[in-house]
Amino acid sequence: DAKTTQPPSMDCAEGRAANLPCNHSTISGNEYVYWYRQIHSQGPQYIIHGLKNNETNEMASLIITEDRKSSTLILPHATLRDTAVYYCIVRGLLINTGTASKLTFGTGTRLQVTL
Amino acid sequence: DTEVTQTPKHLVMGMTNKKSLKCEQHMGHRAMYWYKQKAKKPPELMFVYSYEKLSINESVPSRFSPECPNSSLLNLHLHALQPEDSALYLCASSQDNLAELNEQFFGPGTRLTVL
Repeated sequence: DAKTTQPPSMDCAEGRAANLPCNHSTISGNEYVYWYRQIHSQGPQYIIHGLKNNETNEMASLIITEDRKSSTLILPHATLRDTAVYYCIVRGLLINTGTASKLTFGTGTRLQVTL
Repeated sequence: DTEVTQTPKHLVMGMTNKKSLKCEQHMGHRAMYWYKQKAKKPPELMFVYSYEKLSINESVPSRFSPECPNSSLLNLHLHALQPEDSALYLCASSQDNLAELNEQFFGPGTRLTVL
């Protein structure tokens, strides 16, 4: 699976959009971009994933560049409860090898939402 | 029920003790996972069970012994652990192992301290 690079920390004011970048310059054609977050003392929580098109769900939007070498997770109106470590993960589709389920977490971005 | 439950929440054990961590899900998921997370580090995959069979063992020492008695339960048996094994142990489940894009649902973890 391709490696990802994320800034170690970011701050965001409550009510503003939080834009979390992720570089994955070695991503290959069949690899998806996943985002999970981990609120302090809890297990990680799935947020969103995408291949090449932009994706949106009730939690966030995912913008993937045309060359797929980077992506941005957008939390449109951050709240204090969004304070967490956000992990960007690139995951392949090795369906028949049994490794499709592996999630390799990088160091993530610690997002601090402030009043 | 969309929860993964883990017991106990906290566990303190000596190096000669034998203990077990338990994980349960009732979402009908057929893949279950154990991760280990040291303080301020990302989760690291230990084991994957798919359809109650061990699918992936990430070269984990034999003092950690997983067991999947049925599709809803996953245990991690601990014996002769070392203080450096102190960590948060996370259980996760997903619909299955081979179908890609299945998000993983994580439990809250068991915080283990080895004295």
